[in-house]
Amino acid sequence: DQQVKQNSPSLSVQEGRISILNCDYTNSMFDYFLWYKKYPAEGPTFLISISSIKDKNEDGRFTVFLNKSAKHLSLHIVPSQPGDSAVYFCAASARNRDDKIIFGKGTRLHILP
Amino acid sequence: DVKVTQSSRYLVKRTGEKVFLECVQDMDHENMFWYRQDPGLGLRLIYFSYDVKMKEKGDIPEGYSVSREKKERFSLILESASTNQTSMYLCASSPDRGGTGELFFGEGSRLTVL
Repeated sequence: DQQVKQNSPSLSVQEGRISILNCDYTNSMFDYFLWYKKYPAEGPTFLISISSIKDKNEDGRFTVFLNKSAKHLSLHIVPSQPGDSAVYFCAASARNRDDKIIFGKGTRLHILP
Repeated sequence: DVKVTQSSRYLVKRTGEKVFLECVQDMDHENMFWYRQDPGLGLRLIYFSYDVKMKEKGDIPEGYSVSREKKERFSLILESASTNQTSMYLCASSPDRGGTGELFFGEGSRLTVL
């Protein structure tokens, strides 16, 4: 049973436009959500996170939105740049239960020139 | 600068060989993890450890074992490598139990089993 779902395996966006990556979850105990970015032949790096007490967190060009009622979160990248081409993993955990992080399958983002 | 170091970036082994993947972190983290990444399957947790000499199975432990003799070192062992274990292996550490906070990943070890 997949608790964290990234339904789009890939996404192509024009350079300078907005990239929106989506993630759905099923476990209502999740209270902390993270996005990781991964380049080929490298390990994932932490990008941004959000606690369930918030509905938005912003860091430069990256904003994560959380809709708890819909069990949905999204990562917005504005403006998109060539270096943003990578695989993005959504992840979630139940910090109040000390549970380990659960990852989605990832979305490959291609930024087109 | 925090660092997780995996001993081998690329390995090629034959079916039936014993394989050791080493991971060392310099952040004094108690929690360490081994994942494998395969296209379309994302990151899957193999084993994790919250303390020295302690280990717990993740989601896909079959065919693997681990060793944590020192806090900074977490080794993944393939007792008898098989072709379906060809994958990218990622080690991570975290200051938070369960890795519920940020995970710090190594650069990965690409293993090919022939």
